Amino acid sequence: EVQLVESGGGLVQPGGSLRLSCAASGFTFSTYAMTWVRQAPGKGLEWVSSINLFGDNTFYADSVKGRFTISRDNSKNTLYLQMNSLKAEDTALYYCARGGLITATHYWGQGTLVTVSS
Amino acid sequence: EIVLTQSPGTLSLSPGERATLSCRASQNVFANTYLAWYQQRPGQAPRLLIYDASSRATGIPDRFSGSGSGTDFTLTISRLEPEDFAVYYCQQYGDSSPLTFGGGTRVEIK
Repeated sequence: EVQLVESGGGLVQPGGSLRLSCAASGFTFSTYAMTWVRQAPGKGLEWVSSINLFGDNTFYADSVKGRFTISRDNSKNTLYLQMNSLKAEDTALYYCARGGLITATHYWGQGTLVTVSS
Repeated sequence: EIVLTQSPGTLSLSPGERATLSCRASQNVFANTYLAWYQQRPGQAPRLLIYDASSRATGIPDRFSGSGSGTDFTLTISRLEPEDFAVYYCQQYGDSSPLTFGGGTRVEIK
């Protein structure tokens, strides 16, 4: 069974940093692109970032480019999102998903909540 | 960037009725068919229903079907079950800016 479990969310002040993790199991992690998607409270889905199989090709939404960094450790079956210079508008539930780039995102985690507030 | 516009914003229907949801892209999606549909129930993560415009994802009932190519796509739910009342999103992938989502259509009980 495919499982994606996000962690690392929490309350952070504007300008602060957080690192999200997504632990993957039930599939061969190194053979799939991975993606982060967020959802602000009461709003729709917003793509944040995607990474290819090897981690050497990354893509970002304009809203996070230069502040967020996606990475992966295929030896640990884990996806990361380093978030710096956080703003109030980054407040959202952050989902990790399998796929992206040239495929749909077939499996999603349950999300981790990031709240940026003073 | 490809912009996806979903209509209507809200669809009010009764159980057993047919639902037709639309997703229009600002330009042709990649390979004309790289378009997916997701269902999101309250408090839950999105669930993939349809990928590549018309392929049902694993475990999705056959009352869900997708059609379309290029810029115009449709999700049809042939007979609404109580658990189908939710928000539905379309998503395009494969472009150089990999993923974008539509704004969603809420299917509510009339």
